[in-house]
Amino acid sequence: AQKITQTQPGMFVQEKEAVTLDCTYDTSDQSYGLFWYKQPSSGEMIFLIYQGSYDEQNATEGRYSLNFQKARKSANLVISASQLGDSAMYFCAMLSYTGFQKLVFGTGTRLLVSP
Amino acid sequence: NAGVTQTPKFQVLKTGQSMTLQCAQDMNHEYMSWYRQDPGMGLRLIHYSVGAGITDQGEVPNGYNVSRSTTEDFPLRLLSAAPSQTSVYFCASSPGAYRGYTFGSGTRLTVV
Repeated sequence: AQKITQTQPGMFVQEKEAVTLDCTYDTSDQSYGLFWYKQPSSGEMIFLIYQGSYDEQNATEGRYSLNFQKARKSANLVISASQLGDSAMYFCAMLSYTGFQKLVFGTGTRLLVSP
Repeated sequence: NAGVTQTPKFQVLKTGQSMTLQCAQDMNHEYMSWYRQDPGMGLRLIHYSVGAGITDQGEVPNGYNVSRSTTEDFPLRLLSAAPSQTSVYFCASSPGAYRGYTFGSGTRLTVV
């Protein structure tokens, strides 16, 4: 069974600083994808970044990068140069490509960016 | 493209009532899923579908029913609403094949 663990219920960072949101996962599958979603106070789920289990390089999307350490089963999100608009809930999720493709989520981390 | 459309956005039900949450996508995605979001618990998978006529249970299926008669639509039925089903419900779709999911804007359901 797949499991995603996000151990930081809340994180606090000052504007323009970098922040790392932790995510560890558990799966016996060899082929899977890891995702990060942002949920602002308005409630919508916004896709941020994707990492495939066979990708050798860490994914980057603008100010977002994914620190993928396969042996440690971790997929941390790094946000560089935080902005006030980054204040939101952040969810890590995993999609196994074995059998039915179910997307499973962690419990989320609330990020607060201060001026 | 409209993407994933959920209706209604808000709903209040009385205990024991039944209703259907609608979800439609216009992207010809094969994979569709329903999640519920509760404080401190992230998003939990209720039911999912990998194509028309094929559905399966997720983590928390009890009290919910689904069917998938077309690629576009994936309605979620609450058979007899209970206060424990008060939650925000998200529908999501994916083309599969190593791609992620696109989410609808959610339905906030309150059962009194």
